[in-house]
Amino acid sequence: NAGVTQTPKFQVLKTGQSMTLQCAQDMNHEYMSWYRQDPGMGLRLIHYSVGAGITDQGEVPNGYNVSRSTTEDFPLRLLSAAPSQTSVYFCASRPWSLTDLYSPLHFGNGTRLTVT
Amino acid sequence: KNEVEQSPQNLTAQEGEFITINCSYSVGISALHWLQQHPGGGIVSLFMLSSGKKKHGRLIATINIQEKHSSLHITASHPSDSAVYICAAVKAAGNKLTFGGGTRVLVKP
Repeated sequence: NAGVTQTPKFQVLKTGQSMTLQCAQDMNHEYMSWYRQDPGMGLRLIHYSVGAGITDQGEVPNGYNVSRSTTEDFPLRLLSAAPSQTSVYFCASRPWSLTDLYSPLHFGNGTRLTVT
Repeated sequence: KNEVEQSPQNLTAQEGEFITINCSYSVGISALHWLQQHPGGGIVSLFMLSSGKKKHGRLIATINIQEKHSSLHITASHPSDSAVYICAAVKAAGNKLTFGGGTRVLVKP
């Protein structure tokens, strides 16, 4: 199993450009989520999903879109990048069922995004 | 005031010492994660607990839901334990995680 795979590892964008951060998992996890990590702010939840077709907002959703068309993939879209979106982004997944309430999160290796 | 607070922010220990990291929260939660972030940036889940105590190797995590407090203990610390340790609360009202600011641990040989 590859676990949680994030691509790309590094990305530089100009203000106003759009891009998609990819996240894929091969563990058949229902729950997937995106976080950003900034110095002095810690990790913050952007969006999450508890299954295909179901998404919800986290703490800092503005400027980001998500969709969940398959169990495996949960891409994060930046429609018009801003310097404030310079950050390290992590994707994470875990099982989500009534019989598996307390499983640990599995994190991807992160994407370092710089917006100039 | 943040909903999840960790202390201390930084900790330096000599190899072999017992280390305690504290996490307190002000919201109702259903469970709490302890995470370890390596110097290279990768994040690993150590524990997820909703009550009592869990142990894995030299790591012990405890939680008291009523007192809104959790602790992570490292026994016989080793330089390989040097990392940032992060607690994350699962809010009782939904599926959202709220993170503490992290505790940077340095274990000197």
